[in-house]
Amino acid sequence: DTEVTQTPKHLVMGMTNKKSLKCEQHMGHRAMYWYKQKAKKPPELMFVYSYEKLSINESVPSRFSPECPNSSLLNLHLHALQPEDSALYLCASSQVSRGELFFGEGSRLTVL
Amino acid sequence: QQQVKQSPQSLIVQKGGIPIINCAYENTAFDYFPWYQQFPGKGPALLIAIRPDVSEKKEGRFTISFNKSAKQFSLHIMDSQPGDSATYFCAASYGGGATNKLIFGTGTLLAVQP
Repeated sequence: DTEVTQTPKHLVMGMTNKKSLKCEQHMGHRAMYWYKQKAKKPPELMFVYSYEKLSINESVPSRFSPECPNSSLLNLHLHALQPEDSALYLCASSQVSRGELFFGEGSRLTVL
Repeated sequence: QQQVKQSPQSLIVQKGGIPIINCAYENTAFDYFPWYQQFPGKGPALLIAIRPDVSEKKEGRFTISFNKSAKQFSLHIMDSQPGDSATYFCAASYGGGATNKLIFGTGTLLAVQP
């Protein structure tokens, strides 16, 4: 079983809705990540948090808003999404000094 | 420079065969090379990883071969089983610390036939 827990597993939302994806890890990792994965494609990096501070934003549209309330939690707030934003959103964590990322099972998002 | 090229796109082998997946990179700043296995509907799971100061690493039936001068690395799966059928991604990262970025290859869909 993965030690990175993501909720919800599935989410359907309209283009005018506001929703959030949540991620939690209890491995003591101080780096957390959001990746987006489209079908039959590799995961693409969106955001990196290190010690609860945003360190990398891969030019992600502002309709995606990340938040790291504490060292165990990572949120991704969603607003005014487009149908092309439908994808599997993956959260991962790692020790800050190592590249070994541990992924959650993802949240499958469908935007209608 | 940020890309990691992976081949083949798909691979079919018989049970007991040795599938080989290859990856190549350009950015010499990459210093960590993991392989991930992903089953449908699941997140990627770390299989095995190598650093550029080592030419080979084995963990169970999985072996990474690394050629630093050619900037290439590969995954070999010994005695493959139907349960190994999944998508495999190579990856590379650099930076560490607050700037750690893991870049994925394009993926290989492996089917192991009984």
